[in-house]
Amino acid sequence: SYELTQPPSVSVLPGQTAKITCSADALPNHYGHWYQQKPGQAPILLIYKDSERPSGIPERFSGSISGTTATLTISGVQADDEADYYCQSAHSSGSYGVFGGGTKLTVL
Amino acid sequence: EVQLVQSGAEMKKPGDSLKISCKASGYSFSNYWIGWVRQMPGKGLEWVGIIWPGDSDIRYSPSIQGQVSISVDRSIATAYLQWSSLKASDTAMYYCARLPLGPPNYYFDFWGQGTLVTVPS
Repeated sequence: SYELTQPPSVSVLPGQTAKITCSADALPNHYGHWYQQKPGQAPILLIYKDSERPSGIPERFSGSISGTTATLTISGVQADDEADYYCQSAHSSGSYGVFGGGTKLTVL
Repeated sequence: EVQLVQSGAEMKKPGDSLKISCKASGYSFSNYWIGWVRQMPGKGLEWVGIIWPGDSDIRYSPSIQGQVSISVDRSIATAYLQWSSLKASDTAMYYCARLPLGPPNYYFDFWGQGTLVTVPS
């Protein structure tokens, strides 16, 4: 089955930069999007169409894509950024969507 | 203000039927795809399927197709997720969410609060 591959966990010190990757063969052909989910809460949209930020999302959050890998970058990480992060794109056929397995960001 | 308000938590027995709902407000319901996402206990997000309220065009994830049914009632701006015979493996949090673009540029911009479905084994 088609998969979006994310690292299970990323750890970072406060104030540093965190990078979370998402790899899939079809990413050059379909947009990548990113969500943040905190415990007990619904996900929120962080980045859409590879690098666009919805209103209300801090500029510390940015997205990029290079080849088959999309990257979520969080600059100046804060304790409140500790959460699960999911990438999402379309299946290679374009007929439905898929999520990555999620990455747990730990702020040390 | 866009809002998606889901029905409350459900505890059912294996073999029961169930229909959960997602009431939309603050936007033109018929002009946006709306979909469902599953999250099993302690696990990640899974795409269930999406529906276009205008003509009920539905796109399911192949891994879930046949296990659930998605529908809408445009007159009350509400989307539904339905099971005819629940299994213990259906135990999960189910989120509804709006999609601002159609296939294949799927992404969810507004989410409901989630409905917890519990089916004890």
